[in-house]
Amino acid sequence: AQSVTQLGSHVSVSEGALVLLRCNYSSSVPPYLFWYVQYPNQGLQLLLKYTSAATLVKGINGFEAEFKKSETSFHLTKPSAHMSDAAEYFCAVSAGGSYIPTFGRGTSLIVHP
Amino acid sequence: NAGVTQTPKFRVLKTGQSMTLLCAQDMNHEYMYWYRQDPGMGLRLIHYSVGEGTTAKGEVPDGYNVSRLKKQNFLLGLESAAPSQTSVYFCASQRGGSEQYFGPGTRLTVT
Repeated sequence: AQSVTQLGSHVSVSEGALVLLRCNYSSSVPPYLFWYVQYPNQGLQLLLKYTSAATLVKGINGFEAEFKKSETSFHLTKPSAHMSDAAEYFCAVSAGGSYIPTFGRGTSLIVHP
Repeated sequence: NAGVTQTPKFRVLKTGQSMTLLCAQDMNHEYMYWYRQDPGMGLRLIHYSVGEGTTAKGEVPDGYNVSRLKKQNFLLGLESAAPSQTSVYFCASQRGGSEQYFGPGTRLTVT
């Protein structure tokens, strides 16, 4: 079985500050991991994905995430937040030969001027 | 290349009415999904399909039915709508092992 926990339903940062959104997963086999972003009134779109290649994954809009097997984590970071980063962010995991992903509950990123 | 499209974008139903939501993808993906999104609940999987002619139940299937008669289409049906089915519905498609591609959503209100 696989599961995902996103710590913090809301994260608030100032413009220009570091963004850190946390994701921990549970999987008995090597996982595929994904971060998606959802802007208001839109569907989800892929930010980045880990599929067993490099552990540090770079995505769109300056975001990156690091796969840490020992910590079962896949935290999303961005060095400097922009107002346009305000959105809902979802972490997802699929593993064990099943491509059906499990999603976290989502984290709403609020960016203050 | 339109990606994933959903029809309609908005709909208001009265309790007990029926409707069908259509999802179409032009990427030749095997996997297709229907989710509902409610405030504070994240995405919840209703039904999914791993290929033409096959469907399976997800986390919250009650009150919904689906069909995948053609590879590119995945239909979600509500036979007798209830206020609890007021939600935003998202369709997604996927090539096995890769990321999902989502449609723009259908906002459904049941009064």
